[in-house]
Amino acid sequence: NAGVTQTPKFQVLKTGQSMTLQCAQDMNHNSMYWYRQDPGMGLRLIYYSASEGTTDKGEVPNGYNVSRLNKREFSLRLESAAPSQTSVYFCASRLTYSGANVLTFGAGSRLTVL
Amino acid sequence: DAKTTQPPSMDCAEGRAANLPCNHSTISGNEYVYWYRQIHSQGPQYIIHGLKNNETNEMASLIITEDRKSSTLILPHATLRDTAVYYCIVRAGEEYGNKLVFGAGTILRVKS
Repeated sequence: NAGVTQTPKFQVLKTGQSMTLQCAQDMNHNSMYWYRQDPGMGLRLIYYSASEGTTDKGEVPNGYNVSRLNKREFSLRLESAAPSQTSVYFCASRLTYSGANVLTFGAGSRLTVL
Repeated sequence: DAKTTQPPSMDCAEGRAANLPCNHSTISGNEYVYWYRQIHSQGPQYIIHGLKNNETNEMASLIITEDRKSSTLILPHATLRDTAVYYCIVRAGEEYGNKLVFGAGTILRVKS
C-alpha cells in the first residue's frame, strides 16, 4: 500500500517555465490537497478537492492551477514559474472517520525556480 | 476556526516523557483537536486526535482539559527519532468543511 505518491521529488525550473506536479493516492479517499512549505514556515494550503470533479482555492492559490483527473489523481500546475514559488510542495488525501479528518501526506516535491 | 497557541520550541531528554502543550481557548463544541508532526524534510504525519475525551494510541496520548480550552500531547518515552515539529490544529468535522490549516508548531528537540 503506497499511500500518497508525488512526482517528481526534485525539480529545477527557470523563471517563466511551466510544469505539473503529480499526486496519486491508492486509499480510495475522496478529498485531496496541495500545500506548500517555505523554509522555516508552516504549511499553507494552495488548493483542495473535496471530491472528484470539484476543486477549491485555499490560502495561496495565485500562480497555480489544479486538476482532479479522477478519484486517485490530483495535479498541481505552475503555468509560468516565478522564484517566489520555490518551495516544497506536499500533496495529501483525507480520511474521515468518527467525524474527524485525518490527512495522509506524500513525501514532498522540492521545486527550485531560478 | 479556533486558533491555537503553541510554544515555539521545547527540549526533552531521551527516554523521558515529552509533554507538548496547546492552547485553544476559542474552540467550539464541534471542533476536534488534531496533532501532526513533521520530521525534517518529510511530509507531516498524523499522530492523534480527540474531541472531548482523552485518547491514547501506539504513538502518543492526548489529554484535553475539561473545558476543552487546552490540551497536551504526551510522548511517553521520547527517542531521538521524535525530534520534529509538532502541530496542534483544531477543526470542525466534515460537515463544517474539510481544510486543516497548519501553523508554526512546536519544535521538539530530544537530546541524549
